Parts: sequence; structure tokens; C-alpha cells
Amino acid sequence: QVQLVESGGGVVQPGRSLRLSCAASGFTFSGYGMYWGRQAPGKGLEGVAVIWYDGSNKYYVDSVKGRFTISRDNSKNMLYLEMNSLRAEDTAVYYCATVSSGWSFESWGQGTLVTVSS
Amino acid sequence: QTVVTQEPSFSVSPGGTVTLTCGLSSGSVFSGYYPSWYQQTPGQPPRSLIYNTDTRSSGVPDRFSGSILGNKAALTITGAQADDESHYYCVLYMGSGIWVFGGGTKLTVL
Repeated sequence: QVQLVESGGGVVQPGRSLRLSCAASGFTFSGYGMYWGRQAPGKGLEGVAVIWYDGSNKYYVDSVKGRFTISRDNSKNMLYLEMNSLRAEDTAVYYCATVSSGWSFESWGQGTLVTVSS
Repeated sequence: QTVVTQEPSFSVSPGGTVTLTCGLSSGSVFSGYYPSWYQQTPGQPPRSLIYNTDTRSSGVPDRFSGSILGNKAALTITGAQADDESHYYCVLYMGSGIWVFGGGTKLTVL
């Protein structure tokens, strides 16, 4: 079955960088768009970035444009999120998810917590 | 800026029926926004319930149904059970790789 496992979260100081990874298995990774979403403590879900199945297109929510970069390695079934110039408001659980043909998020990982604090 | 609106909270009695809605700050929701619904319990990742307005995701009981009601997307739970007590999120696809999440509805079953 579909399995998505995020890693790379932790505590980081404001202004520093962090790289999140999402290991995918149980499906044809190269055939799916992939998404990063996040959820601040006690808050609702928020989208972060999406990457098309072949990496040809990438889109970001305004609050992370110019700071975050989404990428993927289809040969390794891996999704990444490079986060630079981190801010306190980036503190959240970050989830990776598959993008279905119905423009929805079919499967989600368990998430990895990023805490931006001095 | 596009805002997706949901009721902050709702309550339903066990065995009862509840309809949660998903609207737009300006304009109507229609199927072209590919409305999807997710259930999330504390400490767990979201679970896909409904996509493309009214298609149930794999393994979702048929007491969950999606529709367009008037100018909003809707999630109806028929025969609510105690373990339906969760947060429910609506998401609309705006095109060009942009999805907008609603603020979520906290459903209480009591």
C-alpha cells in the first residue's frame, strides 16, 4: 500500500535552513504529482508547494515563495523541501501527500515537526 | 485573496445527519473547483474522504457523501458515529497548481 515517510524536521534558529525529505513506496512515484502541506500547532491545514509528476512545474504559496524549494528524485522515489530563511511562523508539522487525478490529496504521510525558535 | 469558508464548529447527535459546507468569500463553489474533503483527528494526518465533489475515497463508508448545495460544496454524514468526531477540511483547486484550504470544521458528536 501507499507509504509516505517524512523526515528532516527539528528545531532550527530563525534565518537558518532545513531540508525535509519524503520517502515514497507502494505506488508508481513517477506518475504522481506531490504536495507539501503544513499545520501550525493548534491551527488548520495550509498548502506549501506542489511539484508535477515529472518535475516540470512547481508552485508555491505566497508566504514561502523565494524561500522554499520543492524538488523530487524519481529514481529514488524521494520528494524534498528545501527551506531557507526560516521564520517563527514556519513552525508546523509538515506533511507530504500525493496529488490524485481528481486534483485532490489522496494519501498523506505522518508528518515531521519543524520548530523555528531561538 | 481567495478565502474558503467553513463553519468553525458543528454538533450532531449519534445516529443523526449533519451537513458541513464549504463556500467562497466571493463567488460560488462549483464542480470545476474539484472540491475535496479531509478528516483529521488530533495527532493524526489528514485522511481523504471525498474528491471531485462527490467521489468517495477508497475505504470511506457510504454514510459520507459530497455534493454541491446551492453555491457551496457540502459534506453530509448520515448516521453519525462517535468516531466521526474530528476536524473536517474542505479544499478547492483554483487551477495553475493552487489549492486553497478552508479553516476546518470541528465536529462534535454528542
